[in-house]
Amino acid sequence: DTAVSQTPKYLVTQMGNDKSIKCEQNLGHDTMYWYKQDSKKFLKIMFSYNNKELIINETVPNRFSPKSPDKAHLNLHINSLELGDSAVYFCASSETGGRRNTEAFFGQGTRLTVV
Amino acid sequence: LAKTTQPISMDSYEGQEVNITCSHNNIATNDYITWYQQFPSQGPRFIIQGYKTKVTNEVASLFIPADRKSSTLSLPRVSLSDTAVYYCLVGDSGGSYIPTFGRGTSLIVHP
Repeated sequence: DTAVSQTPKYLVTQMGNDKSIKCEQNLGHDTMYWYKQDSKKFLKIMFSYNNKELIINETVPNRFSPKSPDKAHLNLHINSLELGDSAVYFCASSETGGRRNTEAFFGQGTRLTVV
Repeated sequence: LAKTTQPISMDSYEGQEVNITCSHNNIATNDYITWYQQFPSQGPRFIIQGYKTKVTNEVASLFIPADRKSSTLSLPRVSLSDTAVYYCLVGDSGGSYIPTFGRGTSLIVHP
């Protein structure tokens, strides 16, 4: 069983469309994250949820909206996609989102290409 | 915010020891230091974590000086499969935890 799974793995879509990326973790973790990795490989956190509550919301456009139906899922919905949204999006989870830097488990990533 | 600085790239040869240093001058008292490894087309993978002095596991060693303003990841006897990007991670000192990655060091191991 994959610990952190994302779907889809690849996503090609046109500008202006709305798309969602799903993430599920079966580790029983209470914190989940979304990261964006651009073409220069810079890995930047976008959101973090702890027990279904948003605890980190970095400076991302309002077009990005995370949804956490339960603590095992954190989906990412993107409205009105733009060319600059093209990147690899990673979901991750960890046991705690507190100060201790515990191990985070990452999904395989979703490569989003906006054309 | 705790910020990290790493070399952008490093080259090595099979069988050598590789040391990658990360600077984190603003590390907070309660922050731990964590290193991740990322292969192409995969998510980052935890390698090692430490708070001070030295930590060793089956994959690597982590050396942290007393002032904790830097850390060094040591990979013994690297192989071609160790070619990857290595990220240094420290906790945010701003009150809520933000897992902030450094720019990463691209390690290329040559035959």
